[in-house]
Amino acid sequence: NAGVTQTPKFQVLKTGQSMTLQCAQDMNHNSMYWYRQDPGMGLRLIYYSASEGTTDKGEVPNGYNVSRLNKREFSLRLESAAPSQTSVYFCASSEAWDRWETQYFGPGTRLLVL
Amino acid sequence: AQTVTQSQPEMSVQEAETVTLSCTYDTSESDYYLFWYKQPPSRQMILVIRQEAYKQQNATENRFSVNFQKAAKSFSLKISDSQLGDAAMYFCAYSFGAYKYIFGTGTRLKVLA
Repeated sequence: NAGVTQTPKFQVLKTGQSMTLQCAQDMNHNSMYWYRQDPGMGLRLIYYSASEGTTDKGEVPNGYNVSRLNKREFSLRLESAAPSQTSVYFCASSEAWDRWETQYFGPGTRLLVL
Repeated sequence: AQTVTQSQPEMSVQEAETVTLSCTYDTSESDYYLFWYKQPPSRQMILVIRQEAYKQQNATENRFSVNFQKAAKSFSLKISDSQLGDAAMYFCAYSFGAYKYIFGTGTRLKVLA
């Protein structure tokens, strides 16, 4: 039982390049999330997927797209990377998207955009 | 607007001692949940403890306990018998509504041998 896994662990991009961050969970959770973590700030929600087949914008969605490929996988795409997107990205999942649900986090992807 | 404030960017504690991390939040909701998450150097965040707002009894998980003061909107985390493995960033989080999950800015805890 690996929990939540993310690939890659670290990536360097040039401005304007695109890439996809991958996330998978093996806990049969319905809901999945993408956060970014910046120095001096709490985690901020980029997008979430309440259940398979649905996605919604979070607090900071601009510049990102997501795909809920199936129940296990939730990817985050940067179409044209910008230096402002340099951050650590976390994927998380929960059994459901109710307020009392504990979220389980992946190890994070550190992204540097030059 | 709902906010979560962790006013202590960094704290230090001697091994085996007790430390309390502070968290305050602002809300007009009456039904919500509060969480403390730990983020060790490996970066993977894990849940430490959870508190339901409608429960007056403070949550406890082994060496971790909370002091939940609903009227004061305060949710502090007490770590007893601190261990080197407790060194990490600790995030307070607040959840309410259909989907709303707000994190504080974190407190870095150093444990001194």
